[in-house]
Amino acid sequence: EPEVTQTPSHQVTQMGQEVILRCVPISNHLYFYWYRQILGQKVEFLVSFYNNEISEKSEIFDDQFSVERPDGSNFTLKIRSTKLEDSAMYFCASSPDRGRWQPQHFGDGTRLSIL
Amino acid sequence: SQELEQSPQSLIVQEGKNLTINCTSSKTLYGLYWYKQKYGEGLIFLMMLQKGGEEKSHEKITAKLDEKKQQSSLHITASQPSHAGIYLCGADYSGGGADGLTFGKGTHLIIQP
Repeated sequence: EPEVTQTPSHQVTQMGQEVILRCVPISNHLYFYWYRQILGQKVEFLVSFYNNEISEKSEIFDDQFSVERPDGSNFTLKIRSTKLEDSAMYFCASSPDRGRWQPQHFGDGTRLSIL
Repeated sequence: SQELEQSPQSLIVQEGKNLTINCTSSKTLYGLYWYKQKYGEGLIFLMMLQKGGEEKSHEKITAKLDEKKQQSSLHITASQPSHAGIYLCGADYSGGGADGLTFGKGTHLIIQP
């Protein structure tokens, strides 16, 4: 069964550094998402992306964050000037199409640790 | 207060017993999704409910959506060790957009042999 793959599984970065989290969505999916989960807290939506532009973003997704689809398969989340509070599990998800009837399929996540 | 409340927060059930997890929304739901998460891992899609009164089943798991109460329940029959994990409900409040889901805090399910 096709799946969303994320790399790396664990990323350790010094505070203030930039980090790029990578995702390969399911190949025929059109909508892509990033979520984060701070340890012990709930999964929070960051951003959705369609047709090479942001479709929706939450208040968490400020100027520190950016997303990109650099080629036909990858979808990346860049965090500039990382802060301690950016430490979390970051999940990528994709869905076949827009709409309430389309489940989002999640990857296994990247655990980001900011030192 | 939370938009999406799950109850109970945690549940310990003896293997073979039935159990129910609830998810209640404070806002109108356009869709309700159930996911399972193993500790430190990704979310596995279980079921999606779209309309009030809808009920879906997969193996020993059944989910229902009560539109009047804006509530969904997830019922597991004859629980097994493989059912252990964190069950998350996710709400679509957008009414059809490609927007993010709002998740509850999750229910930690432990199955005792």
